[in-house]
Amino acid sequence: DIVMTQSPDSLAVSLGERATINCKSSQRVLDSSTNKNSLAWYQQKPGQPPKLLIYWASTRESGVPDRFSGSGSGTDFTLSISSLQAEDVAVYFCQQYYNFPPTFGQGTKVEIK
Amino acid sequence: QVQLVQSGTEVKKPGASVNVSCKASGYTLASYYIHWVRLAPGQGLEWMGMIDPSGAGTSYPQKFQGRVTMTRGTSTSTVYMELSSLRSEDTALYFCARGAISVTPYCFDCWGQGTLVIVSS
Repeated sequence: DIVMTQSPDSLAVSLGERATINCKSSQRVLDSSTNKNSLAWYQQKPGQPPKLLIYWASTRESGVPDRFSGSGSGTDFTLSISSLQAEDVAVYFCQQYYNFPPTFGQGTKVEIK
Repeated sequence: QVQLVQSGTEVKKPGASVNVSCKASGYTLASYYIHWVRLAPGQGLEWMGMIDPSGAGTSYPQKFQGRVTMTRGTSTSTVYMELSSLRSEDTALYFCARGAISVTPYCFDCWGQGTLVIVSS
């Protein structure tokens, strides 16, 4: 199985500042036939199910604010929140869907400083 | 409005089985895979398997083979997940989730609200 490792486990950021979360896969998740990285990001707010934010490493799901962006390729990926809002307090997970079975990172908790 | 609604909290003893339902509305169930993912205390999300409601084909990771069964209802837009031989480590929040067919069936674009399963003697 591909192991997904996120860093940090938690971070506290001031309102309006940038938050950056890293995700590293134990194998490359780049599909050479499509040149797309099979990597998604989810947001889970307290008491709610996860919500898909980004897929193909950098494509925002419909309705997701543009302060959320994804980048990276191969084995190293980043989720950035350009200007943290109070409603962004949540746990964020990365997930690879390149290989069976799909696997997730352990999650990164984002709080307000 | 696309929605997945799950059954309520379950409390089970070790060795028992639990059956969780997931009812789809706002779309045709048969058109999308349904996956089950769990979140245990202090752990990350864990994929438990999927069902193709159109033909009832299933796929499970090795960890859960022999212990999990996913089925579809015969006359309702509902799928079920049964987990047997429960142990304390199975205490978790269980989610059903829809495969995002426009991206890949193994990316999840809609999630149920979650069902808490507590395994305790």
